[in-house]
Amino acid sequence: GEDVEQSLFLSVREGDSSVINCTYTDSSSTYLYWYKQEPGAGLQLLTYIFSNMDMKQDQRLTVLLNKKDKHLSLRIADTQTGDSAIYFCAEYTKMNRDDKIIFGKGTRLHILP
Amino acid sequence: DSGVTQTPKHLITATGQRVTLRCSPRSGDLSVYWYQQSLDQGLQFLIQYYNGEERAKGNILERFSAQQFPDLHSELNLSSLELGDSALYFCASSVEGGPEQYFGPGTRLTVT
Repeated sequence: GEDVEQSLFLSVREGDSSVINCTYTDSSSTYLYWYKQEPGAGLQLLTYIFSNMDMKQDQRLTVLLNKKDKHLSLRIADTQTGDSAIYFCAEYTKMNRDDKIIFGKGTRLHILP
Repeated sequence: DSGVTQTPKHLITATGQRVTLRCSPRSGDLSVYWYQQSLDQGLQFLIQYYNGEERAKGNILERFSAQQFPDLHSELNLSSLELGDSALYFCASSVEGGPEQYFGPGTRLTVT
């Protein structure tokens, strides 16, 4: 079955790096995502990585994919108070005409002063 | 702003009632997805429409239904509401059912 697991909470000091981890089960996933949800807001697509890539960097964000272990991580460099949010890991699978995204339960990132 | 709009923003109703949630996708997007976000279940995929036709079904209850109209907006109908249906309902859209889904701000449904 398809499942995406991530830890529920992470506390990081302002200025440090945050690393949010995720594991998934569907080896046929073609894309893996990180979404951000700020309080009272919808989901914002932060970044995604193709399953044939190992790493993707976008400004302060670095995504690492270990396909063998089905492990995805999001590193946020120089964490700021504005990074406080829930971060969702998700996997995209497409079979025939059906495509769907399976989300993890989200990791709440708390920034310590 | 993702370009996806949802109305209403908040909805409070009683058990047994029926409500309709509305979503307008981003301009040019043909696919619309509905998700339910609750504290215990997390974010769950309900149903997808592509250019007016149902494309995929997730964990959608039989009491729930959806449709996508010729102008590509979509409505999610929830009937015989129960307390457990209280949740945030998100709509997302993508160009051709592709990997980039853009989410609306959500409709918060409270069933009392």
